[in-house]
Amino acid sequence: QVQLQESGPGLVKPSETLSLTCTVSGVSVTNPSYYWSWVRQPPGKGLEWIAFIHYSGNTNQNPSLESRVTISVDTSRNQISLRLSSVTAADTGVYYCARNPPPGGFDYWGQGSLVTVSS
Amino acid sequence: DIVMTQSPDSLAVSLGERATINCKSSQSVLHNSNKKNYLAWYQQKPGQPPKLLIYWASFRESGVPDRFSGSGSGTDFTLTISRLQAADVAVYYCQQYIDTPWTFGQGTRVEIK
Repeated sequence: QVQLQESGPGLVKPSETLSLTCTVSGVSVTNPSYYWSWVRQPPGKGLEWIAFIHYSGNTNQNPSLESRVTISVDTSRNQISLRLSSVTAADTGVYYCARNPPPGGFDYWGQGSLVTVSS
Repeated sequence: DIVMTQSPDSLAVSLGERATINCKSSQSVLHNSNKKNYLAWYQQKPGQPPKLLIYWASFRESGVPDRFSGSGSGTDFTLTISRLQAADVAVYYCQQYIDTPWTFGQGTRVEIK
């Protein structure tokens, strides 16, 4: 079955770069039917879409974060990665990777990775 | 950006009764070419990722109980839980995907009265 698993440091210092990896199993990230996204959730708050990527290289980022976000795909490892630069405390939260199916929305999610920005 | 506004922020419903959550978008999410509404609903329980319930405003995701239904078109949408069960206690979110940035409503907390 389809599974997504986020991994990365749980603590990042202010002004540094947050790096997360999503390992996908049960489906190839090169399946042309799917896009792959990152979504975050500050503690006790709602959901914010960060960016998506298609294995073909098509990407789109939330303009609120665009200048700081890099999303990439590693087809050899079946992974999606996120880098968010110049982080502040406002970037603290749970970061999810998720799959975007053709009808839309997010149908499979990872369990999430809590990232705290603090010195 | 398309702003998604849910109401109410929270509601308490008796077991077996109906729960209704509203979602309003600042712009229409009805796609002109295929006449589908690009609107999804999610359920999120504490400590868990969101779970897709409904896509295209009214299409139930595989495995989702039929007590969950979605309706509406254009800018106004509703998620109905027809007979509330204890397992339905959660926060529910609507989300538009007709235009980037994809955006979510602020969430509606459903509790048992």
